[in-house]
Amino acid sequence: DAGVTQSPTHLIKTRGQQVTLRCSPISGHKSVSWYQQVLGQGPQFIFQYYEKEERGRGNFPDRFSARQFPNYSSELNVNALLLGDSALYLCASSFTLAGGPGELFFGEGSRLTVL
Amino acid sequence: QKEVEQDPGPLSVPEGAIVSLNCTYSNSAFQYFMWYRQYSRKGPELLMYTYSSGNKEDGRFTAQVDKSSKYISLFIRDSQPSDSATYLCAMSLSAGNNRKLIWGLGTSLAVNP
Repeated sequence: DAGVTQSPTHLIKTRGQQVTLRCSPISGHKSVSWYQQVLGQGPQFIFQYYEKEERGRGNFPDRFSARQFPNYSSELNVNALLLGDSALYLCASSFTLAGGPGELFFGEGSRLTVL
Repeated sequence: QKEVEQDPGPLSVPEGAIVSLNCTYSNSAFQYFMWYRQYSRKGPELLMYTYSSGNKEDGRFTAQVDKSSKYISLFIRDSQPSDSATYLCAMSLSAGNNRKLIWGLGTSLAVNP
């Protein structure tokens, strides 16, 4: 079975541009979460979506937005990119909204570099 | 003070060594303690998790939680070059709250053949 898939794997943008990152959860998983991992740090929670509704938001500015589609795939959008947005963006899926510790599966991430 | 403290290393050991990775935390309400392994350019994968205090063993890996000291450990026995990765600890107040995981910085481990 395919795991969590993310695209693109790498991308380079310049300051002020906008970026869209995509995620397909494991088949049957209804919850998708997005995390930002800056080099040398642990992941920071950005959003969680379940059944197409936002169910949680981390401490990120409004430049960050996301949505979930009927097939449970998800997009993360970041507008007006800043140098500090350079990071690995991770998508994680789980079957339920309140999945337990063993139920969160991460994709390989999209590495964004902002110049 | 950060909620979770983890020495980023790097840690370099010879093949076959016993590796000890540690995290300390400040919030005594944490109940679930997780260890993730992250290979370069990959997402984190869950290695083990424990609930409350105690030990848990899985093959060459042992996780320990000492709630009285607010200290958790991951031991790797007979370490292999394939264990070279970054190890992240994560904690949560409850089981069903993935988005509220509090992560350490990760410890970079290199196992040399």
